[in-house]
Amino acid sequence: TQLLEQSPQFLSIQEGENLTVYCNSSSVFSSLQWYRQEPGEGPVLLVTVVTGGEVKKLKRLTFQFGDARKDSSLHITAAQPGDTGLYLCAGAHSGGSNYKLTFGKGTLLTVNP
Amino acid sequence: EAGVTQFPSHSVIEKGQTVTLRCDPISGHDNLYWYRRVMGKEIKFLLHFVKESKQDESGMPNNRFLAERTGGTYSTLKVQPAELEDSGVYFCASSQIAGGPPRYFGPGTRLTVL
Repeated sequence: TQLLEQSPQFLSIQEGENLTVYCNSSSVFSSLQWYRQEPGEGPVLLVTVVTGGEVKKLKRLTFQFGDARKDSSLHITAAQPGDTGLYLCAGAHSGGSNYKLTFGKGTLLTVNP
Repeated sequence: EAGVTQFPSHSVIEKGQTVTLRCDPISGHDNLYWYRRVMGKEIKFLLHFVKESKQDESGMPNNRFLAERTGGTYSTLKVQPAELEDSGVYFCASSQIAGGPPRYFGPGTRLTVL
């Protein structure tokens, strides 16, 4: 079974702080997705990274795919209460379909005002 | 534009009963996916429809689960008979583009089997 380990599992910070969450695996993925899920809603796709070493930015969020395509990180600069939510990473297997994703269990982020 | 909607939001049933979950995808999205997150575990893929056809049902856990998408619009997922281990949150997602990761998920149906 290919697993994606996310860390930390829970993170509670103050508004304005920076943070990084991690997504690690022993397996290689053809692409890595990051989703955010807010209470009572389903996950929403934030970004897809496909190339080893790739960095993508979405406003204050920076996503990086590891060189070996086994891990990824999400860095948030100057976190705001609106960033609160469950952050999920999900990998697509090489040679497989990009909808048959392996999900991590998520990092639950709380940003306090 | 309405997003992916799911009904009911919660369902509590007893072991052995039947439950039917419904998903209405975003209008015009031919691709529809079902996923589920059982308690304490990660979200896992169940199946993929393209219009009314089952493209991939490799994630369906067993033959107690039956998914349909008559007419290529909304989809239903029936669990019969339900078992305790079926408890969890069932998500539906849809997309216009085939083969890519789903962009939008519905809010999910929380199923509790007692």
